[in-house]
Amino acid sequence: DQQVKQNSPSLSVQEGRISILNCDYTNSMFDYFLWYKKYPAEGPTFLISISSIKDKNEDGRFTVFLNKSAKHLSLHIVPSQPGDSAVYFCAANFGNEKLTFGTGTRLTIIP
Amino acid sequence: DSGVTQTPKHLITATGQRVTLRCSPRSGDLSVYWYQQSLDQGLQFLIQYYNGEERAKGNILERFSAQQFPDLHSELNLSSLELGDSALYFCASSGPRASYTFGSGTRLTVV
Repeated sequence: DQQVKQNSPSLSVQEGRISILNCDYTNSMFDYFLWYKKYPAEGPTFLISISSIKDKNEDGRFTVFLNKSAKHLSLHIVPSQPGDSAVYFCAANFGNEKLTFGTGTRLTIIP
Repeated sequence: DSGVTQTPKHLITATGQRVTLRCSPRSGDLSVYWYQQSLDQGLQFLIQYYNGEERAKGNILERFSAQQFPDLHSELNLSSLELGDSALYFCASSGPRASYTFGSGTRLTVV
């Protein structure tokens, strides 16, 4: 049972434009959501997170939006840069439970 | 350097063999998580240890086992290896409700 889903395996975006990565979840117990970025041959690195008490969190070019009623979150990257090309994983948990990850979306920024 | 150290980085072994993957968590972190990433798959949770004790178990095969030692380093033991066990194995550590910090992973190839 895939509790965290990233339905787009890949996404290509022109440099300078907005990248929008989507994530859906099924477990209504989840109250903390995170995005990780992964380059080849490296471990995932934490990017940004959001608690379920918020609907938006911003950090520089990265903004995460949470729609609890739709059980949906998205990551917006504006403007997209070539260095943003990576695999992005959405993750969620509740309390001190382990993180549940999605299958990832490979983002390619086209110069 | 994320502070989480995984060794070895690469491992090639034959079917039926046994290997041990090692992880040293970030200084001060008590929890260690093991994840498996197979080709084009997301990060599958295997097992969590907290301060030497098993805290949670995910989709970990019976051929796999893990432990966390008094110095908090952890080992993941994989035995009777099969071709399908070829994957990236990541270790992560976290403090209380912090985002995980991942090591750079061990790439296991079973031939």
